Amino acid sequence: ETGVTQTPRHLVMGMTNKKSLKCEQHLGHNAMYWYKQSAKKPLELMFVYSLEERVENNSVPSRFSPECPNSSHLFLHLHTLQPEDSALYLCASSQDFGSYEQYFGPGTRLTVT
Amino acid sequence: QQQVKQSPQSLIVQKGGISIINCAYENTAFDYFPWYQQFPGKGPALLIAIRPDVSEKKEGRFTISFNKSAKQFSLHIMDSQPGDSATYFCAASRGAGSYQLTFGKGTKLSVIP
Repeated sequence: ETGVTQTPRHLVMGMTNKKSLKCEQHLGHNAMYWYKQSAKKPLELMFVYSLEERVENNSVPSRFSPECPNSSHLFLHLHTLQPEDSALYLCASSQDFGSYEQYFGPGTRLTVT
Repeated sequence: QQQVKQSPQSLIVQKGGISIINCAYENTAFDYFPWYQQFPGKGPALLIAIRPDVSEKKEGRFTISFNKSAKQFSLHIMDSQPGDSATYFCAASRGAGSYQLTFGKGTKLSVIP
């Protein structure tokens, strides 16, 4: 595996379900990101993790919960989501916190029913 | 002030023609301006980027033109090919050590034979 991988690629879940998205980067980077991509909207940064710190977008609802067990793996835990949370969730990584160049995974297409 | 405005929303170009996508920003603290290319089912991939100390950067058929006084930058794709059909995002980042990329809403480019 190379680059940034994400699983699953597609996920359909009910509003009462609990699921997790997984991201793994094989680039030796030290910072990882979760973005939300909705139609006709700019990419929205949700969370940033690095060895030094975690940064959250304060507008992200608490039903999204990130976890970063090490510098190569990032999870997004989902619970009691709403239909408007349906979107493409992208993971990205960069060499360091604050590096300009970010490398994206293919995304998880999430549908909340 | 954090917005990056991108136009047009969609663009159809004949094969061999020039594709031009424009972006404008307000925040003069932005100092890194990347363009990302996204194919269906894939995450965005860094295509080319520019700093405000140069007015133009060229990589193959892709050129960024930067107008600091007008706070505008644009992507030109010369000799456009059907394989260039994708969604293009401009972005801007503020200062060394800033992790946050502010993205435009994207331009869907279709290059027709």
